[in-house]
Amino acid sequence: QVQLVESGGGSVEPGGSLRLSCVSSGSNFKYEYFGWIRQAPGKGLEWVSYIAVTSTGDTFYSDSAKGRFMISRDDARKSVSLQMNSLTADDSGTYYCARVESQLPRVGQWGKGILVAVSS
Amino acid sequence: QSVLTQPPSASGTPGQSVTIFCSGTRSNIGGNHVYWYQHVPGTAPKLLIYINDQRPSGVPDRFSGSKSGTSASLAISGLRSEDEADYYCASWDARLRAPLFGGGTKLTV
Repeated sequence: QVQLVESGGGSVEPGGSLRLSCVSSGSNFKYEYFGWIRQAPGKGLEWVSYIAVTSTGDTFYSDSAKGRFMISRDDARKSVSLQMNSLTADDSGTYYCARVESQLPRVGQWGKGILVAVSS
Repeated sequence: QSVLTQPPSASGTPGQSVTIFCSGTRSNIGGNHVYWYQHVPGTAPKLLIYINDQRPSGVPDRFSGSKSGTSASLAISGLRSEDEADYYCASWDARLRAPLFGGGTKLTV
């Protein structure tokens, strides 16, 4: 069973930055898509970003993330990161690292979730 | 407002059956597969149904999915207290070129 371990969450003031990281225990990391899914307080699930395999370089950002967030991957370290800049209160919530299985939007494995709180 | 529309809530008593619907358009459900996730607050979501009506191993056959046109549904039979959770439909949207979740349905048992 592939395990995803997230780190990097926490509290930050509006306008600040955070970098979320996710390390996978899987052996096929470099062949898989990964992403970040958010649940804001009292809201539903939302795809924030995903990254395709390195050879394609494809990435996706939700409208709210475009221009502020950047997703990246390190196949050697089997990790995916989400750099979040210019954070606002609307970015608060639980962020889940997700491993895509077969095709989007099928998530084969979820991380436990990491909390991001943007507040002054 | 989610592109995939779900009722915000549903309810049933133990042993009963309940169906949760998800409505979309030709660019998402109408032309792509539907997935269903169960989310108990405080835990990681869990895949219940993939490719419209397939169950991953370990998911009880009390859960079944179907799709017709631009709508999909998740049926749960023999409701149990542990089924109380939020349920989300999901699909790919070819026009938006984005993965989508429905707004979620809170099931009360």
